[in-house]
Amino acid sequence: GAGVSQSPSNKVTEKGKDVELRCDPISGHTALYWYRQSLGQGLEFLIYFQGNSAPDKSGLPSDRFSAERTGGSVSTLTIQRTQQEDSAVYLCASSLGQGTYEQYFGPGTRLTVT
Amino acid sequence: GENVEQHPSTLSVQEGDSAVIKCTYSDSASNYFPWYKQELGKRPQLIIDIRSNVGEKKDQRIAVTLNKTAKHFSLHITETQPEDSAVYFCAATGGYQKVTFGTGTKLQVIP
Repeated sequence: GAGVSQSPSNKVTEKGKDVELRCDPISGHTALYWYRQSLGQGLEFLIYFQGNSAPDKSGLPSDRFSAERTGGSVSTLTIQRTQQEDSAVYLCASSLGQGTYEQYFGPGTRLTVT
Repeated sequence: GENVEQHPSTLSVQEGDSAVIKCTYSDSASNYFPWYKQELGKRPQLIIDIRSNVGEKKDQRIAVTLNKTAKHFSLHITETQPEDSAVYFCAATGGYQKVTFGTGTKLQVIP
């Protein structure tokens, strides 16, 4: 079946603009995660959705960042008033849940803020 | 919350030698410990994992060991090959499936 998909694959935006990044998890996966990865760096946790529970937003770096997951499937990460330090690859991952923890990552969205 | 530390940050080995990467975690409730490999420009992919009721797991040239008492786990790669060159991330998963990643180890296998 299809894996995790993300769109767009690349996004160049001007400083101060808003951007929306999309993640389509694997069908049936109840858990969805967003990470940020700067060049040559590790995986910075942003937000985690599990089923219908309230999301864990503890990793969001500022109130310019928000995410939602509609219908327990597709998720959108929104960055408002983008800054140059927001430039990074944004990775989405999903896992089945129900005691199965393996994460499947999407290809990422490379965001460049000019 | 959970805190995962990973060492070393970089590791160079000669082809054929072994490589060992170590991680420690803080939350005794964590019960699942995966290792991900990320090749340059690609997404992370799971290579091996271990649950808290097991002390060691092997899959061909890779193995993971877990010491729950000491709260540390390690990745062992034997007979390293150039294609093993990548960044490796450990992680710990506790209650509610929250996953905490280590900071990564860049492994270089020198032919």
